[in-house]
Amino acid sequence: DAGITQSPRHKVTETGTPVTLRCHQTENHRYMYWYRQDPGHGLRLIHYSYGVKDTDKGEVSDGYSVSRSKTEDFLLTLESATSSQTSVYFCAISEIPHDSYNQPQHFGDGTRLSIL
Amino acid sequence: SQQGEEDPQALSIQEGENATMNCSYKTSINNLQWYRQNSGRGLVHLILIRSNEREKHSGRLRVTLDTSKKSSSLLITASRAADTASYFCATSMTTDSWGKLQFGAGTQVVVTP
Repeated sequence: DAGITQSPRHKVTETGTPVTLRCHQTENHRYMYWYRQDPGHGLRLIHYSYGVKDTDKGEVSDGYSVSRSKTEDFLLTLESATSSQTSVYFCAISEIPHDSYNQPQHFGDGTRLSIL
Repeated sequence: SQQGEEDPQALSIQEGENATMNCSYKTSINNLQWYRQNSGRGLVHLILIRSNEREKHSGRLRVTLDTSKKSSSLLITASRAADTASYFCATSMTTDSWGKLQFGAGTQVVVTP
């Protein structure tokens, strides 16, 4: 298994509180991604990073921010959590050669976040 | 909006039978990938098929790709109880960069002994 650790694995919090999820990798991969998974929607991309301090928005970025100060860590922050952000959050990593997009992503085991 | 749509949404079969699931997508792709997700776990990459390939095998898995129909199929032969999982297709679109993928909603497969 790829060395990807997500923390915490489970969290319950209240509406309006800030929440930070952490993704840590030991593979030295350049690309990192945050997804959320909801029933009937598959995985939807929230934010991604293509290098240290290089991040961009995905499909469902409203209400989320990210930071990547080191290759190995990618943080996802909910500044003021809402009930609609209750979901399972997955981090993924990838290493893409400059001449090919044909590489898989490797996933962590997710964080189950409940916002009451 | 989802690029990939899987069909069926759910599939129930007995051990030893074959399982087939399909994926349709909307725009041109670099490649199409299939992933498996066991309950409570992250996604695991199964197989990647490039846009210029038509068929690919990996163990008991067979993937086909028809770019003219914008569709792919995943066949699991001689299924086992351990194949019980959700299966997702994901596409790397030619309009996307940085290795981004678009995932479908998945097919839930249950294999009974």
